[in-house]
Amino acid sequence: GAVVSQHPSWVICKSGTSVKIECRSLDFQATTMFWYRQFPKQSLMLMATSNEGSKATYEQGVEKDKFLINHASLTLSTLTVTSAHPEDSSFYICSGSGVTKNIQYFGAGTRLSVL
Amino acid sequence: GEDVEQSLFLSVREGDSSVINCTYTDSSSTYLYWYKQEPGAGLQLLTYIFSNMDMKQDQRLTVLLNKKDKHLSLRIADTQTGDSAIYFCAESPPYNQGGKLIFGQGTELSVKP
Repeated sequence: GAVVSQHPSWVICKSGTSVKIECRSLDFQATTMFWYRQFPKQSLMLMATSNEGSKATYEQGVEKDKFLINHASLTLSTLTVTSAHPEDSSFYICSGSGVTKNIQYFGAGTRLSVL
Repeated sequence: GEDVEQSLFLSVREGDSSVINCTYTDSSSTYLYWYKQEPGAGLQLLTYIFSNMDMKQDQRLTVLLNKKDKHLSLRIADTQTGDSAIYFCAESPPYNQGGKLIFGQGTELSVKP
């Protein structure tokens, strides 16, 4: 299957700082990338959908100014958590889909801990 | 509305078969998926089935789809300890833009030696 690489896998930051998470499709062109948030023992909550070269579409209740998404190329999308607070601590997972839009390939996730 | 439901836990003995069940609400969903998540990791696509199929088999995995009852199941034959993980069922309703997936809550499979 296709490979999506996500970095970092774990990040600890101080409250008020910003954190950038990268998501790369290694062997396919991801025309669409998705960002999810997952709380312990819970399902994935879609935060936003981004198409290459376009502004991201955010799900209801997700603050676009807090979670900045950039999808500047067909192989890279980034999520920046701005002015992070302890309540932003979570597991963030990205995925990408290419030619077959309905098949998403997932990154390994990033565990964010905000102190 | 959109809703995918799964039982939360399943425990089996090594070597037995595991059957994980899922119900979904949108009968027009074109694709239905099974993903596996190991602790601290992302989701691994195990298999998917088109809505015009009733069954799909891939090595130890068998997916059964009952469109009338909107029921999807994943059978793992000869379950191993390495199969212990959380399994997510997901659907892809056709009206969703850009292939958005609707996930169930996940079933935690525990395989005992």
